[in-house]
Amino acid sequence: EVQLVESGGGLVQPGRSLRLSCTASGFTFGDYAMNWVRQAPGKGLEWVGFIRSKAYGVTTEYAASVKGRFTISRGDSKSIAYLQMNSLKIEDTAVYYCSRENWNDHYYYYMDVWGKGTTVTVSS
Amino acid sequence: DIQMTQSPSSLSASVGDRVTITCRASQRISSYVNWYQQKPGKAPKLLIYAASSLQSGVPSRFSGSGSGTDFTLTISSLQPEDFATYYCQQSYSTPRYTFGQGTKLEIK
Repeated sequence: EVQLVESGGGLVQPGRSLRLSCTASGFTFGDYAMNWVRQAPGKGLEWVGFIRSKAYGVTTEYAASVKGRFTISRGDSKSIAYLQMNSLKIEDTAVYYCSRENWNDHYYYYMDVWGKGTTVTVSS
Repeated sequence: DIQMTQSPSSLSASVGDRVTITCRASQRISSYVNWYQQKPGKAPKLLIYAASSLQSGVPSRFSGSGSGTDFTLTISSLQPEDFATYYCQQSYSTPRYTFGQGTKLEIK
């Protein structure tokens, strides 16, 4: 079964750091780019960041709201993607989802597999 | 950034109704639109990609259409399990995805 499982969420004070993990199973993790998407309480979905596969240089992209504070990395041998979150702000409070990026023959991209999410609460 | 504006923000409908949700992009984006369904406390689920392609395993009562700036998600005959929030997403500027604000579909 194709699956993504996030972990590492919790309660953290403003200004502190937290690292989330996304463990994949059921597919060749290294072949896919991975996204992080978050959802603040009662709000919509916000794309956070992205990491390309090794074939495309393992490069990353970030939303303006987290650029310079968040870092995405991956460990293909363990089938894990990470989201390192530094200098956390109250407005980073959200459920964080990882998702797999897939594409069709015409290079239309979409997120076809999602984890159940992990909750991050930033509060003093 | 490309903005995606959904309408309506909420919608009440009955089982068996035909429902249409609209998404408008702030610039032309060809067919680079995906649609997701999210139920309370659950992760989003991909329904439609590339504006009109049905994801494997998704019931055929779901369909998508549109190109350019205007897109629609249609549910031909609402079932009880379809009451959820629906999001459009543009993938034109991938990986800088943006989502619509969501449409909450409620039981009338």
